Amino acid sequence: GAGVSQSPSNKVTEKGKDVELRCDPISGHTALYWYRQSLGQGLEFLIYFQGNSAPDKSGLPSDRFSAERTGGSVSTLTIQRTQQEDSAVYLCATGGRELFFGEGSRLTVL
Amino acid sequence: AQSVAQPEDQVNVAEGNPLTVKCTYSVSGNPYLFWYVQYPNRGLQFLLKYITGDNLVKGSYGFEAEFNKSQTSFHLKKPSALVSDSALYFCAVRGYGNNRLAFGKGNQVVVIP
Repeated sequence: GAGVSQSPSNKVTEKGKDVELRCDPISGHTALYWYRQSLGQGLEFLIYFQGNSAPDKSGLPSDRFSAERTGGSVSTLTIQRTQQEDSAVYLCATGGRELFFGEGSRLTVL
Repeated sequence: AQSVAQPEDQVNVAEGNPLTVKCTYSVSGNPYLFWYVQYPNRGLQFLLKYITGDNLVKGSYGFEAEFNKSQTSFHLKKPSALVSDSALYFCAVRGYGNNRLAFGKGNQVVVIP
């Protein structure tokens, strides 16, 4: 919604494989967030980028998770050696005081 | 630390009746408060926000919310619910100077025809 584009919309992978999830945010917004939504759970903060500042990685659940943002625009969330508990919807958001979310990437780890 | 509590898992209401979705929060300093709605297999859509000013905030689709500082609440309301309002509703808070938005676990609203 509101111009934030995420891909893939659905990803099914085998346990142990690496996955990359992409977020193409609204242009002009310097802030970018990744959240994770697991079944029956709320939204879990993962990582926050703001301009050229060092990202706030405090929400990443393990060192298998990493994210980067190139040129202050597109962001990629990488999960290495996926586990079944990584299955969730991964949401990207940008904005100012209020956040605008993408449709999410649904990850299923078999 | 900042947190949000949405005490009810599911809210059932008959079409045409008033709808209330409860939210209480905990934050240091002045809060920025938000409501989002999520339809099945969709991302979150922004409904309304409280930053400062009038305690009663009006938002999209006829929704409104009232900020109550003494009760640390920000309940979402709609005078007359529609079947199309059936969705998952999230309350969120951010403290002044804090970068991240803390979400509640969400409330499933079911509007019965």
